[in-house]
Amino acid sequence: KAGVTQTPRYLIKTRGQQVTLSCSPISGHRSVSWYQQTPGQGLQFLFEYFSETQRNKGNFPGRFSGRQFSNSRSEMNVSTLELGDSALYLCASSKGTSNGNEQFFGPGTRLTVL
Amino acid sequence: LAKTTQPISMDSYEGQEVNITCSHNNIATNDYITWYQQFPSQGPRFIIQGYKTKVTNEVASLFIPADRKSSTLSLPRVSLSDTAVYYCLVGGPVGGGNKLTFGTGTQLKVEL
Repeated sequence: KAGVTQTPRYLIKTRGQQVTLSCSPISGHRSVSWYQQTPGQGLQFLFEYFSETQRNKGNFPGRFSGRQFSNSRSEMNVSTLELGDSALYLCASSKGTSNGNEQFFGPGTRLTVL
Repeated sequence: LAKTTQPISMDSYEGQEVNITCSHNNIATNDYITWYQQFPSQGPRFIIQGYKTKVTNEVASLFIPADRKSSTLSLPRVSLSDTAVYYCLVGGPVGGGNKLTFGTGTQLKVEL
């Protein structure tokens, strides 16, 4: 069974640009969550999508957005990039129908903002 | 959301049993306790999950006392490859959204 895949694995952007990251969940999983990981703040929850609807949202500015498609694949977008957005962005999938703690993480996308 | 407290770091030697304790005093009735393992530049990996008493799988055991205000992850006979950060999580309401709150984690270092 294939795991969670994320593309691209590495990305370099400059301030002010926007970026779109993609996540393909494990087959059969309907929930996709996004997390940002930085050395200073650790792992922080961005948002969660379930059946194409945003079900939970973390404390991030509106520059961070996401969506989920009918095949459960998800994208997150960051507009007007800032230096502080440099981080490892992790996507996690789960069945989403019961306790949500058992999530399966992808390898992440390393975003560097110059 | 329940806040968790765990040691920042622990050291051990190959072949020893390692126990990492996590405090979660304000755990809610619906909350489960879950442990993840993370290697550098990789996504966290699910280790084990429990609600009460003891849970065991092929890699670890999870001990949860009756009051559920703490939990202990037990790793039997660790090896060098177990060097990683271990996170204790509490939450994920049943039937609700999946929002994991990660603490600072415990950096486990295993030496020969």
